[in-house]
Amino acid sequence: SQTIHQWPATLVQPVGSPLSLECTVEGTSNPNLYWYRQAAGRGLQLLFYSVGIGQISSEVPQNLSASRPQDRQFILSSKKLLLSDSGFYLCAWDWGGGSQYFGPGTRLLVL
Amino acid sequence: ELKVEQNPLFLSMQEGKNYTIYCNYSTTSDRLYWYRQDPGKSLESLFVLLSNGAVKQEGRLMASLDTKARLSTLHITAAVHDLSATYFCAGPLEYGNKLVFGAGTILRVKS
Repeated sequence: SQTIHQWPATLVQPVGSPLSLECTVEGTSNPNLYWYRQAAGRGLQLLFYSVGIGQISSEVPQNLSASRPQDRQFILSSKKLLLSDSGFYLCAWDWGGGSQYFGPGTRLLVL
Repeated sequence: ELKVEQNPLFLSMQEGKNYTIYCNYSTTSDRLYWYRQDPGKSLESLFVLLSNGAVKQEGRLMASLDTKARLSTLHITAAVHDLSATYFCAGPLEYGNKLVFGAGTILRVKS
């Protein structure tokens, strides 16, 4: 069966510091991978998606970037965090055409 | 641009009562997804509706899809406290695998 991991689970970072969130998927190959952000009490905003190694599509211009160095690894980064980057970051995967499966999420607080 | 609108956004109901959450979407998609999110947790896939007239049921929840009306419903029968959560519907963009999520319906079942 497939599992998806995210770490860290929670993170408190000062404004201006860098960020690296990691997502890995097990038990599948060549998945589509997604990064979402959920602000408190809000819906989900798609940030990035990837259909393969090194292939990243950005959905919203912002202070973040994503990379996919390996087939089942997806990384969300920032060089300098802003207060507005606070939120719940969710990684998801699918094979295309079906439901997306979400990781446990990383709760980020920028102070 | 795909729009996915849920209503109501907040629903407080008594145990044992029935209610329906509505999800309207703006494209000609024949797929629609429902997710559940418990407070502080990630999203869990509930239903995948893949064609017009599709109906899926699990326990006290039943989801249906009317692609002609561009409407999906999530019906709750004889609500119990354990159903308290936020429910999201999501529809795919017409091209590719990206999903657009509704704002979510916060359901609180009171005993």
